[in-house]
Amino acid sequence: EAGVVQSPRYKIIEKKQPVAFWCNPISGHNTLYWYLQNLGQGPELLIRYENEEAVDDSQLPKDRFSAERLKGVDSTLKIQPAELGDSAVYLCASSPGPGGPYNEQFFGPGTRLTVL
Amino acid sequence: TQLLEQSPQFLSIQEGENLTVYCNSSSVFSSLQWYRQEPGEGPVLLVTVVTGGEVKKLKRLTFQFGDARKDSSLHITAAQPGDTGLYLCADNTDKLIFGTGTRLQVFP
Repeated sequence: EAGVVQSPRYKIIEKKQPVAFWCNPISGHNTLYWYLQNLGQGPELLIRYENEEAVDDSQLPKDRFSAERLKGVDSTLKIQPAELGDSAVYLCASSPGPGGPYNEQFFGPGTRLTVL
Repeated sequence: TQLLEQSPQFLSIQEGENLTVYCNSSSVFSSLQWYRQEPGEGPVLLVTVVTGGEVKKLKRLTFQFGDARKDSSLHITAAQPGDTGLYLCADNTDKLIFGTGTRLQVFP
């Protein structure tokens, strides 16, 4: 079974440019998450989807970040315009159902963004 | 806001040594998960603990959940180079809140 797929794996852009990341979750997983991970730290949740509905976007900086999951399958995270401080790894994860003690999230390899 | 502090932040040891990593929370865990993340990859779940005082073993890894469910430890016996990575604890309610991480390097 294929895992969570993310692309691109690496992206280098200049500040003020737009950038987009794509994620395809594990087949059949209704819940999709986007995380931001700074170097040497734990991931921080940006947004969580249940099917196509964003049920938790409280940590998403909505002035420059946006996300969509139009058909409840794959998802895109966008930053416009990018700032130097956005340099980080952006992780996508999916799970069969909503959160809870026995819910396991499966993570993709991430997209490493460098903003120059 | 819940804070999960892990210690030590960095650990560099020789193959065959034992080590313990700690995770402490400012509030009671709903349930606690431990993850390992290798360079260039996403975190991978190692274990979930729910009950205070619970102990789980996964080969050379032993996970312990504090009685008050505010702390946890991960003990690795006879570490191997393949154990190298970033170890993360996380509180799992409806979303994961990760700890600060412990970066482990095991040298042959």
